[in-house]
Formats: sequence, C-alpha cells, structure tokens
Amino acid sequence: NAGVTQTPKFQVLKTGQSMTLQCAQDMNHNSMYWYRQDPGMGLRLIYYSASEGTTDKGEVPNGYNVSRLNKREFSLRLESAAPSQTSVYFCASSERGYHDRVYGNTIYFGEGSWLTVV
Amino acid sequence: DAKTTQPNSMESNEEEPVHLPCNHSTISGTDYIHWYRQLPSQGPEYVIHGLTSNVNNRMASLAIAEDRKSSTLILHRATLRDAAVYYCVSGNTPLVFGKGTRLSVIA
Repeated sequence: NAGVTQTPKFQVLKTGQSMTLQCAQDMNHNSMYWYRQDPGMGLRLIYYSASEGTTDKGEVPNGYNVSRLNKREFSLRLESAAPSQTSVYFCASSERGYHDRVYGNTIYFGEGSWLTVV
Repeated sequence: DAKTTQPNSMESNEEEPVHLPCNHSTISGTDYIHWYRQLPSQGPEYVIHGLTSNVNNRMASLAIAEDRKSSTLILHRATLRDAAVYYCVSGNTPLVFGKGTRLSVIA
C-alpha cells in the first residue's frame, strides 16, 4: 500500500533556485495538504486543497505556490528558494472534505521531503 | 480551530502504562479530538480519535473528559518503539498541529 508518496526525499538548493515537490496519493482522497516542520517545532500548514481544482492558503503560504493537478496529485513549488525555507515538508491527504464534522477527518501523511537551501 | 495544550515532554518505563494529557478548553461541540504520533524521521501517523465517548483501538485508548475540555491518550504498555512525539489536535478545518509531547521510553 503506497498511501501518500512524496518526491524527492532529499534536495539541496541554492538561494534563488526554484523547485517543485511532488505528492501523489492512491487512496482516492478528496483533500490534500502541505505542511512544513522546522527543528523542534510542530507542523505548520502551508496550503491545502479541499478538492480537485481548489486550493487555499494555510498558516505560512508566503514563498510557495501549489497546484492540484488532479484528484491524486498536489504539488508544492518554491519559485525562488530562501534559506528560511530549509525544512522538512510533509504532504498529507484525507478522505473527506475538511469541513466534514460528522465523522472526523483522519489525515494520512507522506514520509517527508528534507529540503536544504544554502 | 481549537487550541490544545500538552506537556513538552514525558518519560515512561518500558512495559508501564503511559497517560498523555491534553487540554482543549475552547473546543466546540462538534470538534473531534485526534491524536497523532511522529516517530523519528517519519511523517505523523494517526493514532486514535473521538468525539464524546472513550475510544479503544489496537494502538491506544482515548479517555475524554465529560466536559470535553481535556482528554488523555493511554498507551497500556509502553515499548521502546512508542518513543515519539504525540500530537493532540482538535478541530476539523484543516487540522492544526502544535508542538506535541515528546515521549521517552526507558528500558
């Protein structure tokens, strides 16, 4: 069972370079998310997508763009990388739309992408 | 989303029960309480969730206070593999994670 797959797992970028983190889920989930985690910190939400074709900003969206390419895929792009974006990035998905309060909303995470900007 | 408060760290002996507390005093009536854990160098994984009643699954038990302002994750018998950061999260839209509780398990 693949679940949520992220690529690449490790990447080193120079300041000002651009790159895209790819994420795909095979669980037919409606909602997808991108979080970042800095050392000793909790997870902070960057962007999320309730369904194909929709995206919304989270807590820390500056410096990032996202694309919900289809129901399976949700990519995160850094247009001009900065050292402050050095972090571990996690993609996640959930079955129901995140406004569903009836059943709760379990989130499934990928294994993370370690990004260093020098 | 409702804010949660957890201790920064806790320690347990192997094979002892562990009670991880969480306060969520501003939780709304329809917000679920979720627990996730993050093993070293891995993404968070779902542990358990509940609304009002206590819940059990193969990983843990969740005890929810009657007023829903607090909850406790119970690991019945801690193993070394349970050493992780445990996150208590409430709300739905979408889930907002704090810093969690770092659980250390001593052999």
